[in-house]
Amino acid sequence: DVKVTQSSRYLVKRTGEKVFLECVQDMDHENMFWYRQDPGLGLRLIYFSYDVKMKEKGDIPEGYSVSREKKERFSLILESASTNQTSMYLCASRYQGWTDTQYFGPGTRLTVL
Amino acid sequence: GQQLNQSPQSMFIQEGEDVSMNCTSSSIFNTWLWYKQDPGEGPVLLIALYKAGELTSNGRLTAQFGITRKDSFLNISASIPSDVGIYFCAGQFLPGTYKYIFGTGTRLKVLA
Repeated sequence: DVKVTQSSRYLVKRTGEKVFLECVQDMDHENMFWYRQDPGLGLRLIYFSYDVKMKEKGDIPEGYSVSREKKERFSLILESASTNQTSMYLCASRYQGWTDTQYFGPGTRLTVL
Repeated sequence: GQQLNQSPQSMFIQEGEDVSMNCTSSSIFNTWLWYKQDPGEGPVLLIALYKAGELTSNGRLTAQFGITRKDSFLNISASIPSDVGIYFCAGQFLPGTYKYIFGTGTRLKVLA
C-alpha cells in the first residue's frame, strides 16, 4: 500500500512566522504535490515536483516555496505566514507511469493567528 | 483553478439505498480518479479509470469512464452509515502531465 505521511495533523502559528510542512512517501514515487483545500474553492495546486531538486509552480505559488532534496521528502515552506494561509494542506505523490494515480496524505490543518 | 462539474452537491439517503453521482467536463480526459474524504482527513483513492468505457468495481463501489471521455460516474450500492463523507472526482488531460482537475465534491449523508 502506498503511504504518504505528513509531519503534523494540526499546526497553529503566528503571523510572520516561518512555517515548514513536511511530507514523506514510501513508494519511491517520482512526483510529489502540495495542494491547499478551502471550502468552496476545492483543491488548488501550490507546487509540483517531478523529481529530486525539480519543482514547478502550480496555480497559487505566491507566499510559498518548496524543497525536494531527497526523493521521498517534499517540504512546503511559508516564508512569512499570513492569516490568509490558514487552510488544509494536502501532500500527494504519484508514480509516473501508465497508471497516473495520485495518492494523498492525511493533511495538515494550519491556522495562522 | 479549474473545477469539474460534479452532481449532486449533496444528498441524504436511507441506509441500504443505492447512490449515484457523476462528474462532467467540457474537456476530454485520459484518466478519472474517484476519492472519498472524511472530515479533517486527506482524500483516499477509491477507484482509478484509464480507458473510455471502462467499468471498475471496488467492493460496493462501481465507477465508469464515460464513452465520450468527458464524464465519469460513481455508484455505491446498499449504502451504510460509514459511507458518509465527501466524494470527489479528479481528471487528468494527458498521461504523464501533472495537472489534475478536481470535482466540486458530493457530500453524502446516510440516515440509519
